Amino acid sequence: QSVLTQPPSASGAPGQRVNIFCSGSNSNIGSNYVFWYQQIPGTAPKLLIYRNNQRPSGVPDRFSASKSGTSASLAISGLRSEDEADYYCAAWDDSLSGRLFGGGTKLTVL
Amino acid sequence: EVQLVESGGDLVKPGGSLRLSCAASGFTFTDFAMNWVRQAPGMGLEWVSSTDSWTTNIYYADSVKGRFTISRDNAKNSLYLQMNSLRAEDTAVYYCVREGSHNYEQAFDHWGQGTLVTVSS
Repeated sequence: QSVLTQPPSASGAPGQRVNIFCSGSNSNIGSNYVFWYQQIPGTAPKLLIYRNNQRPSGVPDRFSASKSGTSASLAISGLRSEDEADYYCAAWDDSLSGRLFGGGTKLTVL
Repeated sequence: EVQLVESGGDLVKPGGSLRLSCAASGFTFTDFAMNWVRQAPGMGLEWVSSTDSWTTNIYYADSVKGRFTISRDNAKNSLYLQMNSLRAEDTAVYYCVREGSHNYEQAFDHWGQGTLVTVSS
């Protein structure tokens, strides 16, 4: 069971906006950066968001993220079929002295 | 172009050992911390271990502590994971992952394609 909690699934129609939430605690999200990764089935994960809300070059501005207290969220606007993937939040945990991943959210574009 | 190529995955019996390797290229290897992340079939991502550039600071997930050892050979631009006392629950694709630097510090900014480890009798 992941210490970072994500909903197992999310969905939206093309063009819509969807939010994916990640809940943690003071020892991880509450005191460290949050990262988001996208994994298209059959491929390796890819960095989507770093330092809570920063996009690497090449990531469309349809992807945005925020953090508040011990929770974080990823927003995807203008949904496209190619956004169908698994999305993972991640953070360092001070108590565990290790990295944590959320359980992942499978996004379906209807 | 950054490349991370894992090798060494295999079918091994419970209690057995395996050594994974990761060949890095396209960047200055000593400038970056490195990690192993695994993914069991149909499951999510699990961080396994990390090492800084000179193996001064090494961390392990509780699930592998005492059984797995991460190491690196900077002269060969290679990262390793020695896995002992393997269990069925260690079955997974193992990814070699670079940890970013400067603004990308702590970010897993490049991933290998993964190597499959299967633990079964």
